[in-house]
Amino acid sequence: AQKVTQAQTEISVVEKEDVTLDCVYETRDTTYYLFWYKQPPSGELVFLIRRNSFDEQNEISGRYSWNFQKSTSSFNFTITASQVVDSAVYFCALSEDENFGNEKLTFGTGTRLTIIP
Amino acid sequence: GAVVSQHPSRVICKSGTSVKIECRSLDFQATTMFWYRQFPKKSLMLMATSNEGSKATYEQGVEKDKFLINHASLTLSTLTVTSAHPEDSSFYICSARDPTGYTDTQYFGPGTRLTVL
Repeated sequence: AQKVTQAQTEISVVEKEDVTLDCVYETRDTTYYLFWYKQPPSGELVFLIRRNSFDEQNEISGRYSWNFQKSTSSFNFTITASQVVDSAVYFCALSEDENFGNEKLTFGTGTRLTIIP
Repeated sequence: GAVVSQHPSRVICKSGTSVKIECRSLDFQATTMFWYRQFPKKSLMLMATSNEGSKATYEQGVEKDKFLINHASLTLSTLTVTSAHPEDSSFYICSARDPTGYTDTQYFGPGTRLTVL
């Protein structure tokens, strides 16, 4: 069975600080996909990134960066120079390739990030 | 691109009534849609997987007669909460899988907040 753990339930940082959100996953599959979604107060989930298990390259998109390490089953998310608009709940998710075309997402419990002006 | 809409965004109903929630993929065809439920400050729990033209696949513990799912077209799936009770009050979110392009990712609707009095 697959499982996603986000140990940090809430984080608060002062604006412009860097912050890293942790995500640890468990899966028996060799092929799987990892995701990060942002859920602002409005409730809508915003897709941030998708990473497959064969691509361990780190990725940077503007102020966002992701560190994927299979050796530790982690897929951490870093926001640099945080801004108030980054305040949201962030979910890490995992899907396995067991049923191609109908991948089910397993979500972590989310990390509530508050950026203090 | 990859926009998913939900209607209504909020609904308040009396106990015993049925409520229908629509999920539409606006700019792509979604052979698969997913329905999630989210309690306050909690993670998303998958309720069912909806495939166009076939019966939905429900997760363990989800009553299929209570939560009726219909996926009549490639852009529309509906969730009907039948004989709603206060414990059905929750935030319901749909997602649609976009199989085209590189990402093959689920995109989420803005959610529907259901309150049963």
